[in-house]
Amino acid sequence: LAKTTQPISMDSYEGQEVNITCSHNNIATNDYITWYQQFPSQGPRFIIQGYKTKVTNEVASLFIPADRKSSTLSLPRVSLSDTAVYYCLVGDQLNTGGFKTIFGAGTRLFVKA
Amino acid sequence: DTAVSQTPKYLVTQMGNDKSIKCEQNLGHDTMYWYKQDSKKFLKIMFSYNNKELIINETVPNRFSPKSPDKAHLNLHINSLELGDSAVYFCASSRDRRTNEKLFFGSGTQLSVL
Repeated sequence: LAKTTQPISMDSYEGQEVNITCSHNNIATNDYITWYQQFPSQGPRFIIQGYKTKVTNEVASLFIPADRKSSTLSLPRVSLSDTAVYYCLVGDQLNTGGFKTIFGAGTRLFVKA
Repeated sequence: DTAVSQTPKYLVTQMGNDKSIKCEQNLGHDTMYWYKQDSKKFLKIMFSYNNKELIINETVPNRFSPKSPDKAHLNLHINSLELGDSAVYFCASSRDRRTNEKLFFGSGTQLSVL
């Protein structure tokens, strides 16, 4: 069962770049790495997904080294509204077919003015 | 239009009661899920249905029974509610059951059992 480990919490200031690293030592060959963001009283929301090297979208960048045992979510110039919990996910292939997404404990990012 | 909608948003009830939470998605997705988020914010999968067929059934008390009348709906019925059932329950959907499909979540149902 692939599991993830990420820092419990992080603090930052507005305008700074924030990097959240996740380790997933047992990631399977066909697993992607996915990050979700969750605000209070809302469901998680997809941010970014990647398999290897670097992926960038309008919200974030995701860096994945060659061994894929870790990944880093990079949020450029955070604002107060980026205060949220960030989850790093890898998957778990089911014996019966299909796929199960496993959420870790998440990283609570608090952005200060 | 809300992509994944669940009702009610808040549910306060007494121990021993039976309650249901409803979920509907208008994304045309084949796969739907129920997740439970406890007070420590751990998000755990409970059930998953693909085209009305149960494909994931985690170690959940059999007081919890999901029902999928069609692929756009996945309801959760809970019998004999206990204090430990208090949590936020999230419904989610994905395009299909294949690896790494993006999940779309509802806004959650906060269940408080007194």
